[in-house]
Amino acid sequence: NAGVTQTPKFQVLKTGQSMTLQCAQDMNHNSMYWYRQDPGMGLRLIYYSASEGTTDKGEVPNGYNVSRLNKREFSLRLESAAPSQTSVYFCAGRKREGPNEQFFGPGTRLTVL
Amino acid sequence: GIQVEQSPPDLILQEGANSTLRCNFSDSVNNLQWFHQNPWGQLINLFYIPSGTKQNGRLSATTVATERYSLLYISSSQTTDSGVYFCAVGGSGGYQKVTFGIGTKLQVIP
Repeated sequence: NAGVTQTPKFQVLKTGQSMTLQCAQDMNHNSMYWYRQDPGMGLRLIYYSASEGTTDKGEVPNGYNVSRLNKREFSLRLESAAPSQTSVYFCAGRKREGPNEQFFGPGTRLTVL
Repeated sequence: GIQVEQSPPDLILQEGANSTLRCNFSDSVNNLQWFHQNPWGQLINLFYIPSGTKQNGRLSATTVATERYSLLYISSSQTTDSGVYFCAVGGSGGYQKVTFGIGTKLQVIP
C-alpha cells in the first residue's frame, strides 16, 4: 500500500499562474483534507471532504478550490497564485469508523515568486 | 471552533533526559492525535488517544478528556527525537474537522 501520496513534491510558480496539487490514498479513507503549513503557525485547514461528493471550507479557503474526484482522490487548485500562498501543503485522509486517525502525505513545497 | 494550546513552545534537552509535552483544548473532543514532524518535514503518527493512556517504547501519552488536556512523555531522549510535536483534536460532531496546535519544537543535543 502506498498510503497517502501527493504530487508534485516541489513546485515554483510565478504570480498569477495556476496549478493543481494532486492527492490520492489507498487506505479506504472516507474523509480527506488539505492543510497548509507556514513557519510558526502549525497546520491550518484549507478544505476538507467528509465523504465522496462533499467538500467544505476550513480556516483558510480563500484563493483555493478543491475537487473530490472519487473516494481515492482529492485535488487542490490555485487559480491565480499569489506570493502569500508560498507554503508547504499537506494532504491527509481519515476513516469515519473505528480509530479514525489522520494519515498524512509527504507534502508539496510550493514557492510563488 | 476548538482552540488547541501546546506547551512549551520550545524545548532543548540533553540526550538521555526525560520530558513532558502538554496539549490543552477548549471543548470536548472525540479524537486526539499526537504527531512528530521530523527535520525532513514528514508527519509521523505517534498516538491516537482520545482518552486513557498508551505506551510505545520510550514514548507514552495520557489524555484526560474530562479536564481537556493531553500529555506526551518522552523518556531517555535521543537525537532522533528532535523535531516538532503536534497535538491535533477533533470535536464531537459529524463533520470530521481537525484542529492542530502550533506545536512544541524539541531539540535533543548529544
